Amino acid sequence: DTGVSQDPRHKITKRGQNVTFRCDPISEHNRLYWYRQTLGQGPEFLTYFQNEAQLEKSRLLSDRFSAERPKGSFSTLEIQRTEQGDSAMYLCASIPGVGNEQFFGPGTRLTVL
Amino acid sequence: EDQVTQSPEALRLQEGESSSLNCSYTVSGLRGLFWYRQDPGKGPEFLFTLYSAGEEKEKERLKATLTKKESFLHITAPKPEDSATYLCAVQAPSGSARQLTFGSGTQLTVLP
Repeated sequence: DTGVSQDPRHKITKRGQNVTFRCDPISEHNRLYWYRQTLGQGPEFLTYFQNEAQLEKSRLLSDRFSAERPKGSFSTLEIQRTEQGDSAMYLCASIPGVGNEQFFGPGTRLTVL
Repeated sequence: EDQVTQSPEALRLQEGESSSLNCSYTVSGLRGLFWYRQDPGKGPEFLFTLYSAGEEKEKERLKATLTKKESFLHITAPKPEDSATYLCAVQAPSGSARQLTFGSGTQLTVLP
């Protein structure tokens, strides 16, 4: 257990519905990342926060995706109008102010029917 | 664009049979090379960071090495509990995020 928690662990939804995931990083970690991982592939970068500021977004992050980190602590990732192609594991990772090692949470497995 | 290629895709070993996993990378200015272990249904677990060619790090039965073009993860006398997917990732200095670019992983199965 790295100390990074994610909720829910599993989510099944119907196409077209909105879903929201939560990530609670290790408390003193001010840098937070979201990644997406499909079966048989490595994680792919989605977006990055330093404290409450969203500083970088991947082109993978379509306009149906939005992420927030309102007080520089927990973060949420929302997917609107879900599509079957959104089915994946969504991973959150955090890093302290110094250092480069990213510590991952257990992930949220999304299945879109 | 940063690229990471891992081989083999899958590897089956008998308990005690040592082997190596390969990670080839192309990046404009390597900031760090990372190895992670991932068990089914879980998030990646950090193993090692390597920063410069010639660097080596060890942890139990695992040893990671780095050259200018590739990294190896050597597994000595593996046990069934070493079965997992091993992911390699690179971090480049470009951009503020310093995000990781991952390979597709090597799925290791160690048979008793």
